[in-house]
Amino acid sequence: GNSVTQMEGPVTLSEEAFLTINCTYTATGYPSLFWYVQYPGEGLQLLLKATKADDKGSNKGFEATYRKETTSFHLEKGSVQVSDSAVYFCALSPRENSGAGSYQLTFGKGTKLSVIP
Amino acid sequence: EAQVTQNPRYLITVTGKKLTVTCSQNMNHEYMSWYRQDPGLGLRQIYYSMNVEVTDKGDVPEGYKVSRKEKRNFPLILESPSPNQTSLYFCATQETSGSVTDTQYFGPGTRLTVL
Repeated sequence: GNSVTQMEGPVTLSEEAFLTINCTYTATGYPSLFWYVQYPGEGLQLLLKATKADDKGSNKGFEATYRKETTSFHLEKGSVQVSDSAVYFCALSPRENSGAGSYQLTFGKGTKLSVIP
Repeated sequence: EAQVTQNPRYLITVTGKKLTVTCSQNMNHEYMSWYRQDPGLGLRQIYYSMNVEVTDKGDVPEGYKVSRKEKRNFPLILESPSPNQTSLYFCATQETSGSVTDTQYFGPGTRLTVL
């Protein structure tokens, strides 16, 4: 079955530091890949996504590139802010046109990021 | 404003006392889903629904029921809650007429404690 493995947290960084959160996946075919963010006390929000190999998703200064050869989708940000403190989830969904299962997201366990001033 | 609402947001109950967590969306989405979030396990899907009167099991359906009588509502029912159902629950919705990679919208979560 499908699975997502992301680096364990928590991760604590100083403001303006560089962030990398590793994510690798196992799936048949060519899944779509996502990063979701969960701010304290809130639900999950889509941060960025990529739907095919070599696609780069980006949003709010975060980036991730779909690497099929290494089955990875690492999240990066060049300069984190205190407001980026949250839990980050890597997720995948199966390829389009595979029926109801296409909409099911398989999540990693989440990585808690704390950014200190 | 596009919204997924859940009620209650917090609930403490006792073993065996039936409860319902409601989920409502105003986006006219066909697809709705329930997840539970547990420390060290991420989110796991409980049930999902492709449309009214169409529901199916996710990865961890044991001990839960759902119904989809109206498009906007997708309640999660625990007939006889047990302590291992203590968790954070999220409802999610998605449009199905477009791409499967369209955004999935999540509710704010319901923190359930079963004593």
